[in-house]
Amino acid sequence: AQKITQTQPGMFVQEKEAVTLDCTYDTSDQSYGLFWYKQPSSGEMIFLIYQGSYDEQNATEGRYSLNFQKARKSANLVISASQLGDSAMYFCAMRDPGAGSYQLTFGKGTKLSVIP
Amino acid sequence: ETGVTQTPRHLVMGMTNKKSLKCEQHLGHNAMYWYKQSAKKPLELMFVYSLEERVENNSVPSRFSPECPNSSHLFLHLHTLQPEDSALYLCASSPPGELGGYTFGSGTRLTVV
Repeated sequence: AQKITQTQPGMFVQEKEAVTLDCTYDTSDQSYGLFWYKQPSSGEMIFLIYQGSYDEQNATEGRYSLNFQKARKSANLVISASQLGDSAMYFCAMRDPGAGSYQLTFGKGTKLSVIP
Repeated sequence: ETGVTQTPRHLVMGMTNKKSLKCEQHLGHNAMYWYKQSAKKPLELMFVYSLEERVENNSVPSRFSPECPNSSHLFLHLHTLQPEDSALYLCASSPPGELGGYTFGSGTRLTVV
């Protein structure tokens, strides 16, 4: 079963507007971590933001914020004031120690295109 | 530079060649990973090393052979690859602690001809 689901293969947003990228996850554990990464065309995976399952506040990092709804098992990324440089693939990922593994499990990604 | 350095950035090799991918980190992380990223597929975990011991091997064909000589270096040795092995190979490292995130390298884009 897929543990991380990103339902939007591609998204368009006008420059300077906000955009929300969806992510839902599946785990039976109480302790886990959720991550968002950005991958430009150069290939590098850039860490954006982290949310721990016990964090009561939504994580924020500059223009990035994570809309964490634990009961719904969703961890949507909100990018405010989009810039042309935000055009990239965005991946949601989860680290689930209860799975007995070190690995991060990634979704299939969302390709964001920012329109001038 | 992210703190994780991968070389080479691009590699073209024939199916009978032997080559190696190199990954290096000096972040004090104690776990290192190889991921494969093919077009239109989620990232696939290949190997995990923790404290220089391989702790996971996700049914990767034997034509891929990892090596972790110390906590700062990770290699992926390649031999007799197939065209379907063409992909972006990403190395990552993570600090101690179960919920630590990864730092990725820039990847090696491999083409098998």
